[in-house]
Amino acid sequence: SQTIHQWPATLVQPVGSPLSLECTVEGTSNPNLYWYRQAAGRGLQLLFYSVGIGQISSEVPQNLSASRPQDRQFILSSKKLLLSDSGFYLCAYRWGVGNTEAFFGQGTRLTVV
Amino acid sequence: AQTVTQSQPEMSVQEAETVTLSCTYDTSESNYYLFWYKQPPSRQMILVIRQEAYKQQNATENRFSVNFQKAAKSFSLKISDSQLGDTAMYFCAFMTMGNQGNLIFGKGTKLSVKP
Repeated sequence: SQTIHQWPATLVQPVGSPLSLECTVEGTSNPNLYWYRQAAGRGLQLLFYSVGIGQISSEVPQNLSASRPQDRQFILSSKKLLLSDSGFYLCAYRWGVGNTEAFFGQGTRLTVV
Repeated sequence: AQTVTQSQPEMSVQEAETVTLSCTYDTSESNYYLFWYKQPPSRQMILVIRQEAYKQQNATENRFSVNFQKAAKSFSLKISDSQLGDTAMYFCAFMTMGNQGNLIFGKGTKLSVKP
């Protein structure tokens, strides 16, 4: 069966510190991978997506970056966090050309202080 | 660019009654998918129902059904016989067809089911 793991579940980081959130998928190969941010009252904002290893597309210019070093691994990073980076981050995957359903991780609550 | 609009930030309904959540979208595409996702307090996103734009028949999943009006670009969700466990944020989402289609979400509607 296919599963998605995202960690950590919660994170408190000082302004200016680096960030690394990791997402891995099991049970499938060559998934489409996504990072979303959910801010209060703003729904889910697509940050990055990837259709293959090393292929990253950015939807919103910001202080964050993403990488896909392995087929089923997707990492969200920042060199220096800003207060405005606080939010709930969700990783998701979609597998297969004919599959439309996206599956989400449990999310990471990031608080920048 | 595609946009999804949910005009009802919050709604409430009595248990066992019916409620309809609204969603409109904007796109120049003719083939696409529409979804309703549920996010309960646990924050886990769960697919409720999906609709293919090329299908005229409205999708149904048990107590959940949609009213898809393609010309009006409207996609509402009806929840019948509301249950306490339906309390959650509900997000309408849009996706173009093809392998690189990305899910675009609305801002969500917070639904409270009252006993």
